[in-house]
Amino acid sequence: AQKVTQAQTEISVVEKEDVTLDCVYETRDTTYYLFWYKQPPSGELVFLIRRNSFDEQNEISGRYSWNFQKSTSSFNFTITASQVVDSAVYFCALSEAPYDKVIFGPGTSLSVIP
Amino acid sequence: ETGVTQTPRHLVMGMTNKKSLKCEQHLGHNAMYWYKQSAKKPLELMFVYNFKEQTENNSVPSRFSPECPNSSHLFLHLHTLQPEDSALYLCASSQESLSVDTQYFGPGTRLTVL
Repeated sequence: AQKVTQAQTEISVVEKEDVTLDCVYETRDTTYYLFWYKQPPSGELVFLIRRNSFDEQNEISGRYSWNFQKSTSSFNFTITASQVVDSAVYFCALSEAPYDKVIFGPGTSLSVIP
Repeated sequence: ETGVTQTPRHLVMGMTNKKSLKCEQHLGHNAMYWYKQSAKKPLELMFVYNFKEQTENNSVPSRFSPECPNSSHLFLHLHTLQPEDSALYLCASSQESLSVDTQYFGPGTRLTVL
């Protein structure tokens, strides 16, 4: 069974629209960590955020915000007022004990159209 | 110098060739990783090195041979590959592997096996 599910394979939005990328994870651990990474066309994965399972407070960083809900095992990512430079593949990931591996979801390809 | 560099960025090789991928990190990290990213598939962890010792070999075929001479350098030696090995190979590093440290990725090597 897939531990990290990103149901949206591809999303296209028009510039300045808001967009939410969904992530659902599966774990039996009580302590775990969740990540979001961005992979632009250049190929390099860029770290965006890390969140531990005890911190359900939503986080906002500029145009980015993350909604962590343990009750639904979701860690969704919203981009407000999207820009063309946001076009990339976004990966959600999970790390469980002993935390030596990061399990990546299949990714969501976001295209922001000018 | 950027955090994690990889060379070459693109590589085309025949099935009988021997080639090596190189990764170098300038972040003072102690753990390094090789991932394989194939089209339409999640990132697959291949190898983990922690303080130059291999701690993970994720059932990778022996035609892939990693080498970690020091904490800053990681190689992936390739020999008699198959066309299905064509993929983007990503290197990453983190402070160490047995704790939840953020992994920082290089730009990847796009490998094509003819």
